[in-house]
Amino acid sequence: KAGVTQTPRYLIKTRGQQVTLSCSPISGHRSVSWYQQTPGQGLQFLFEYFSETQRNKGNFPGRFSGRQFSNSRSEMNVSTLELGDSALYLCASSLAGGISYNEQFFGPGTRLTVL
Amino acid sequence: AQRVTQPEKLLSVFKGAPVELKCNYSYSGSPELFWYVQYSRQRLQLLLRHISRESIKGFTADLNKGETSFHLKKPFAQEEDSAMYYCALSGPGGYQKVTFGTGTKLQVIP
Repeated sequence: KAGVTQTPRYLIKTRGQQVTLSCSPISGHRSVSWYQQTPGQGLQFLFEYFSETQRNKGNFPGRFSGRQFSNSRSEMNVSTLELGDSALYLCASSLAGGISYNEQFFGPGTRLTVL
Repeated sequence: AQRVTQPEKLLSVFKGAPVELKCNYSYSGSPELFWYVQYSRQRLQLLLRHISRESIKGFTADLNKGETSFHLKKPFAQEEDSAMYYCALSGPGGYQKVTFGTGTKLQVIP
């Protein structure tokens, strides 16, 4: 099976712009979670989608949003970018059901740099 | 609220020495606990989960409900163990949010 893919891998934006990141989960996985990874804060949970519905949400401002499509692919959007949004954004997919035990499979991440 | 605490940001040990990466959690009920590892320039990946009671790459972790801990241990560290280790928690069964700790960087000194 192909792993989780994320596009683009690298992005450079300036303050005030907006950005959209994409994630394609492993085939058959219906849950997609997004995380922000920074050296100081580690992995911080953004939100999780399951069957096109946001099930869980972390403590991030409303500038961070996401959605999931019927094929389980997910996008996250950050509007009005700030310097502090520079981070590695990770997407993870899981079966999220039955005996999956919530094992998360991670993508390579999108490195966002805000100038 | 569920919370995972990894008190050490960096742990340095000599090759061949025992390793213990600490993880404490807060959760009302019976959680599922995991250790994830991220080697340099690689993806974050699952190392082990408590429900499987397995040993992976010589690492084991025991869930201590009384102390609400899930420490990761290995009797003899190897250089290839150098990586970032994250402890994670979720509620039982599927459909649960996964919470990660802030991670501990393990540095094995040759």
